[in-house]
Amino acid sequence: NAGVTQTPKFQVLKTGQSMTLQCAQDMNHEYMSWYRQDPGMGLRLIHYSVGAGITDQGEVPNGYNVSRSTTEDFPLRLLSAAPSQTSVYFCASSYGTDGYEAFFGQGTRLTVV
Amino acid sequence: AQTVTQSQPEMSVQEAETVTLSCTYDTSESDYYLFWYKQPPSRQMILVIRQEAYKQQNATENRFSVNFQKAAKSFSLKISDSQLGDAAMYFCAYRWRGGSRLTFGEGTQLTVNP
Repeated sequence: NAGVTQTPKFQVLKTGQSMTLQCAQDMNHEYMSWYRQDPGMGLRLIHYSVGAGITDQGEVPNGYNVSRSTTEDFPLRLLSAAPSQTSVYFCASSYGTDGYEAFFGQGTRLTVV
Repeated sequence: AQTVTQSQPEMSVQEAETVTLSCTYDTSESDYYLFWYKQPPSRQMILVIRQEAYKQQNATENRFSVNFQKAAKSFSLKISDSQLGDAAMYFCAYRWRGGSRLTFGEGTQLTVNP
């Protein structure tokens, strides 16, 4: 039972480079989200999706793109990396709204130099 | 917009003793859920406990319990008989009943001293 799988776990980018953080879940969850975690700021929502083909912006969407072509996958694209995007990124999924538990991936530590 | 505030960046407790982590939130909604997540050094986010706003009874999970004060918009976590494995970052989070978005507090780093 893999749950939510994020790759890679660590990444170093140069300013201006682009990359995609991968997220896959095998629990048939409709809801998927991307968060970034920064010291003293908790986790902040970047983008989220309520189903295949549907995405929306969260609290801090600038500089990031997402798409949801399948229920299982929700990749996060950094278009032109900036040092301000140095952070730990988490992907999460849940079966539904209400009190359904959100399951998180292991996180990706991204450093932009 | 909803906000969640954890005013204690760091807390410490002696092993076997009790500690309480504070959380306040602000929302105009009446139907929502509150969560406490634990993040050990492995970075994994682990759900500790959840509370439904329309339930007056405080949630309990083994050594973990909450004090939910809806009128005061307060949601504290009590850890009894603290263990070394409880050392972690703890996040309080809010989610409206009809939404999928979680709003997190800043986090409280808990140290357990032997």
